[in-house]
Amino acid sequence: DAGVIQSPRHEVTEMGQEVTLRCKPISGHDYLFWYRQTMMRGLELLIYFNNNVPIDDSGMPEDRFSAKMPNASFSTLKIQPSEPRDSAVYFCASSKGQGSQPQHFGDGTRLSIL
Amino acid sequence: QQQVKQSPQSLIVQKGGISIINCAYENTAFDYFPWYQQFPGKGPALLIAIRPDVSEKKEGRFTISFNKSAKQFSLHIMDSQPGDSATYFCAASKRAGGSYIPTFGRGTSLIVHP
Repeated sequence: DAGVIQSPRHEVTEMGQEVTLRCKPISGHDYLFWYRQTMMRGLELLIYFNNNVPIDDSGMPEDRFSAKMPNASFSTLKIQPSEPRDSAVYFCASSKGQGSQPQHFGDGTRLSIL
Repeated sequence: QQQVKQSPQSLIVQKGGISIINCAYENTAFDYFPWYQQFPGKGPALLIAIRPDVSEKKEGRFTISFNKSAKQFSLHIMDSQPGDSATYFCAASKRAGGSYIPTFGRGTSLIVHP
């Protein structure tokens, strides 16, 4: 079975540019999560969706960040404009909404803002 | 405020030794406690998990010990192997709708010397 697929794996861009990260969850999973991982703050939950609807975006750091899930097989996390402090590894994860089902993580996007 | 405190930050053990990682939490609303294992360049993957109604869960060489009254739990890796070298994250999760939403510890980098 294909796991969670994220693209791109690496992104290097200049400050002020728009960045779009993409995620394809595992088929049949109805929860999708976006995380950010840094040395300073560890693994932080940014936002999660249930059945394509955003449920909790309290972890989104500021208005420069936005996330969408137009259908059950695709989600995006957008940063506009990007700043050097946004440099991190961004993970997408998905799970089934059946109690204690594990979250399945993608391999992440390593983002560097110059 | 760090809701889940994990220690140590790094750990070095010899092959065949026991690796112990500890976590503590404050919020009594947490009721599901997974551990994730992360290798370089990969996303975290569920290793083992426990509910607070049991004090211990064992899967192969991996054991979770849980102390509900102290709000502490730990991961023990018996007969540690070089292939166990990875970063380990504990998490404390609370139910939201049909899923559990985790709060992660900062992670422990484990190195097992051959």
